[in-house]
Amino acid sequence: DAGVTQSPTHLIKTRGQHVTLRCSPISGHKSVSWYQQVLGQGPQFIFQYYEKEERGRGNFPDRFSARQFPNYSSELNVNALLLGDSALYLCASSLLADTDTQYFGPGTRLTVL
Amino acid sequence: GQSLEQPSEVTAVEGAIVQINCTYQTSGFYGLSWYQQHDGGAPTFLSYNGLDGLEETGRFSSFLSRSDSYGYLLLQELQMKDSASYFCAVPSYGGATNKLIFGTGTLLAVQP
Repeated sequence: DAGVTQSPTHLIKTRGQHVTLRCSPISGHKSVSWYQQVLGQGPQFIFQYYEKEERGRGNFPDRFSARQFPNYSSELNVNALLLGDSALYLCASSLLADTDTQYFGPGTRLTVL
Repeated sequence: GQSLEQPSEVTAVEGAIVQINCTYQTSGFYGLSWYQQHDGGAPTFLSYNGLDGLEETGRFSSFLSRSDSYGYLLLQELQMKDSASYFCAVPSYGGATNKLIFGTGTLLAVQP
């Protein structure tokens, strides 16, 4: 079975632009979470979606938004990009909304110039 | 606040045993997970301790002591491919949310 997939793998944007990152969970998994990992640090929680509803939001500005589609895939959108948004964006899926192991995708490396 | 502390770097030789410690301060503790991440790739789930004691999975073992707010990951018979970053993480369940709070990460370098 395929694991969590993310696209694109790498992305270069300039300040002020908008970006959309995509994630497909493991087949059968209904929960998708997004994390930001800045170089040298652990991943930081951004959002969790379950059954197309937002279940949790981390300490990120409103420039960050996300949604989940009927097939449980998800998009993360970031508006008005800042240099500090440069990071590895990771998507994780789990079967349940809570009390369940999360499995991570390979991430999208975003560079903001 | 919630925090998990790990040593920043550990170095060991092939075939040796290494222990990576994690101390935590969290509210509503449910258990401790460990993830491996190679050079900015996908974090890979290694183990989860929901109860005190030792969990063994092949060459890797993980230990938890709730009373000490402490856990560790033990890697035996080290191989070069074990060179990676290792993160401890705690799930934070609240409002039907499953989010992971990660530690600072430990970079393990295995030398020949």
